[in-house]
Amino acid sequence: AQKITQTQPGMFVQEKEAVTLDCTYDTSDPSYGLFWYKQPSSGEMIFLIYQGSYDQQNATEGRYSLNFQKARKSANLVISASQLGDSAMYFCAMREGPNNAGNMLTFGGGTRLMVKP
Amino acid sequence: DTGVSQDPRHKITKRGQNVTFRCDPISEHNRLYWYRQTLGQGPEFLTYFQNEAQLEKSRLLSDRFSAERPKGSFSTLEIQRTEQGDSAMYLCASSLVGTRGSYNEQFFGPGTRLTVL
Repeated sequence: AQKITQTQPGMFVQEKEAVTLDCTYDTSDPSYGLFWYKQPSSGEMIFLIYQGSYDQQNATEGRYSLNFQKARKSANLVISASQLGDSAMYFCAMREGPNNAGNMLTFGGGTRLMVKP
Repeated sequence: DTGVSQDPRHKITKRGQNVTFRCDPISEHNRLYWYRQTLGQGPEFLTYFQNEAQLEKSRLLSDRFSAERPKGSFSTLEIQRTEQGDSAMYLCASSLVGTRGSYNEQFFGPGTRLTVL
């Protein structure tokens, strides 16, 4: 079974509107972390936001927030007030095990977001 | 620039040739990871190091692949007898594992794009 599933290959959003990118995950480890990365056409992976499995509140970083629903095993990324520069590939990733284990990341297939002016 | 750097950025080679890539992590980071990303897919884990020790290798890392981190600083990834299926982006990431309160996000380099003709 896929550990990270991103069901939206591509999304359009109008500039200044909010958009939600879906991510579901599968793990039996009680300790894990969920990450979102942005990959512009230049290719570099840019870290956006993190949610730990034991975190009680949803993570927020500026215009990015993570809608974490643990029972549903979903960790959707919400981008508010979209900007043209948000056009990129977005990847959801999971690290199984505690933070200090520093285990590798498992990535989903990504969602290409296109912001329309 | 204190980010992760990779060299070369692009490599074109003929099938059967050997290639070597270099990654310089963020200087104080103790963990270094290699990932491979094929077109339209998310990155896939290859291997990682804790200082100079190689802790885990993916089954994707066939006998033709070898990675080293001889002094716990930079790392090299060598592919021997390249095949067309090796064409991909090779991404390096680093993190500082063991810092209390940190979620140990991985910082990625710009990648090396390999094309095997």
